[in-house]
Amino acid sequence: GAVVSQHPSRVICKSGTSVKIECRSLDFQATTMFWYRQFPKQSLMLMATSNEGSKATYEQGVEKDKFLINHASLTLSTLTVTSAHPEDSSFYICSARDLGGRSTDTQYFGPGTRLTVL
Amino acid sequence: DAKTTQPPSMDCAEGRAANLPCNHSTISGNEYVYWYRQIHSQGPQYIIHGLKNNETNEMASLIITEDRKSSTLILPHATLRDTAVYYCIVRARYTGTASKLTFGTGTRLQVTL
Repeated sequence: GAVVSQHPSRVICKSGTSVKIECRSLDFQATTMFWYRQFPKQSLMLMATSNEGSKATYEQGVEKDKFLINHASLTLSTLTVTSAHPEDSSFYICSARDLGGRSTDTQYFGPGTRLTVL
Repeated sequence: DAKTTQPPSMDCAEGRAANLPCNHSTISGNEYVYWYRQIHSQGPQYIIHGLKNNETNEMASLIITEDRKSSTLILPHATLRDTAVYYCIVRARYTGTASKLTFGTGTRLQVTL
C-alpha cells in the first residue's frame, strides 16, 4: 500500500505555545488529506479535510483558528495547533487520499503524532 | 455514510482463522465496504475493500452477502501481531466532495497463544 509519513511522532510542549505537525504522502500525490484526533480509549474523530490549494473544511465543533491547516502541495499538509493547552493533548493522525493506481480511491494513514501539552 | 455495527470484542487462537462480522443494513448502492485496523498507538492500516464481490489480498479476505447488508473480514491464519481494533466502514468513492471515513468503535480482536 501507499506510504504516508508524519513528523514529529511525539512532541511535548508548554501551554501557550504552537506546534506544527507535518503529513506527507511519500509515493503518491494526494489532492485531499484528512486530519483526525484520537483521545485515549476512543475512536478516531475527523477534524478537518484539507484540499490542495484551497481552504480546509472543518468538522462541526473544531475551531479553525486554533487548528490551522495548510495543504500547499500535492504531497504535504500541515496542522498547526496554536496556543496549545493541556486539553489539546491527544493523538493526531493524518490520512491521504490516493485516487490513482490500483488503490482506487483509498485513504492511507500516517503513523500519528502524540502531542502532550504541559 | 451508512452506519455499521460490529461486536465490541472477539478472541481468536493463534493459527486459527479470525472471522470478524459487520452489519451495514442501510448501505447505499454506490457505497463500498472498507476495513482498516489499528494496532495500539499506531495509525490505522488499510486492509481491504469491496463493493459486492468477495475480495482477497495478501492480508485478508472480504466476504459480502448478496444483499450487501453485512460482510465478514477473514484473517486466514491469525498471529499475535493481528491483535488490533478492526474497523468496518462504508463510504462512497469518487464523489464530488471528499469521501470521508467515519470511524465507529470497531472490534477489538485479541489473538492468544
